[in-house]
Amino acid sequence: GENVEQHPSTLSVQEGDSAVIKCTYSDSASNYFPWYKQELGKGPQLIIDIRSNVGEKKDQRIAVTLNKTAKHFSLHITETQPEDSAVYFCAASSGNYQLIWGAGTKLIIKP
Amino acid sequence: GAVVSQHPSWVICKSGTSVKIECRSLDFQATTMFWYRQFPKQSLMLMATSNEGSKATYEQGVEKDKFLINHASLTLSTLTVTSAHPEDSSFYICSATYWGTSDRETQYFGPGTRLLVL
Repeated sequence: GENVEQHPSTLSVQEGDSAVIKCTYSDSASNYFPWYKQELGKGPQLIIDIRSNVGEKKDQRIAVTLNKTAKHFSLHITETQPEDSAVYFCAASSGNYQLIWGAGTKLIIKP
Repeated sequence: GAVVSQHPSWVICKSGTSVKIECRSLDFQATTMFWYRQFPKQSLMLMATSNEGSKATYEQGVEKDKFLINHASLTLSTLTVTSAHPEDSSFYICSATYWGTSDRETQYFGPGTRLLVL
């Protein structure tokens, strides 16, 4: 079955710098890759997603890139702010509604 | 749009009692909802897939008689933890599948329910 690996498990960056979180997937049939942000004690919040027919998608300070050949996708956050501190999860789906989750990355923004 | 609510947000109960958690899609209809469980500092673990009007599909290792799921309408799914025990204490999160204008599905999550069984 599908397996999603996410790195790093913890990422600490200076406020204003960029943060990059990477995920790899195993099932070549996966065609949908969302990223969720989870703050302490809350449910995951969808921040951006990408489908396999595009290689990059951007929404203000957040961007996601997808390399289908290498089977990896990345989340890029530019000009990081304190409110970006949270746990970020990547996921992959092959269209059957079920999401296969990465282990999560704790992002710490240092003031 | 695409808001999912959960109720209650937290619950404390005695061992042996049953607890019902509601998941509602507030501004859209969801034929499919999911129930997850999350332990501290871990990823989400899918418990079951809930389809409106039919029986839920449980993941391997999840007791269907322990975690009763009902999806009676397109906007409401409930999870009942029967005869709860301390090991059932966890953070339970639901999600609902939203079909947008691009005719593609997206999962939106509820805020979660913290269950503590004493």
